[in-house]
Amino acid sequence: AQKVTQAQTEISVVEKEDVTLDCVYETRDTTYYLFWYKQPPSGELVFLIRRNSFDEQNEISGRYSWNFQKSTSSFNFTITASQVVDSAVYFCARMGYSGGGADGLTFGKGTHLIIQP
Amino acid sequence: DTGVSQNPRHKITKRGQNVTFRCDPISEHNRLYWYRQTLGQGPEFLTYFQNEAQLEKSRLLSDRFSAERPKGSFSTLEIQRTEQGDSAMYLCASSFSETSGNEQYFGPGTRLTVT
Repeated sequence: AQKVTQAQTEISVVEKEDVTLDCVYETRDTTYYLFWYKQPPSGELVFLIRRNSFDEQNEISGRYSWNFQKSTSSFNFTITASQVVDSAVYFCARMGYSGGGADGLTFGKGTHLIIQP
Repeated sequence: DTGVSQNPRHKITKRGQNVTFRCDPISEHNRLYWYRQTLGQGPEFLTYFQNEAQLEKSRLLSDRFSAERPKGSFSTLEIQRTEQGDSAMYLCASSFSETSGNEQYFGPGTRLTVT
């Protein structure tokens, strides 16, 4: 199986600190997509970002930024000036293309981010 | 656009009973996915449909699990002869196949407890 590894099980920081969530993936596909989802205490997964394997440009959206490095098979997520509302479990996921069609997402185990006031 | 909906939100059943969950995708989405999430883990992909065709079902956990999407709109996931190990959150997601990368939008899930 082509795994997604999120080595940080839990991270706790004080509000306004910057925090980076790590994601390392395995893939044998030439074309693949990487995703980040947020799962707040309410439980519903919220889509944050999608990246395709041909686009290594970093992306910034407000306080969120993503660093995609194919050379190290990593897709890390940074929150700057963290806020209590950022507290959630964050999942990294990949999707490859097999047999000509898209497949389901393969998720990491998630990182539980705790932002303390 | 009301998002992906799932019913019921919670289901408690006794071991050996059959259960069925329903998922209504976002209306213009033609792909529908089912996942299972256990405590402390990421969602685990089970199966998916494009319109009414089930394009991947080898990941269904056992032959007790089956899914349908008869008219290409809503879908049902059935678990027969439930076991305690089936207790989990069952998630549905939908996407539009013409969107590159197929970002999936998830519903709130159905939490199954098998006693």
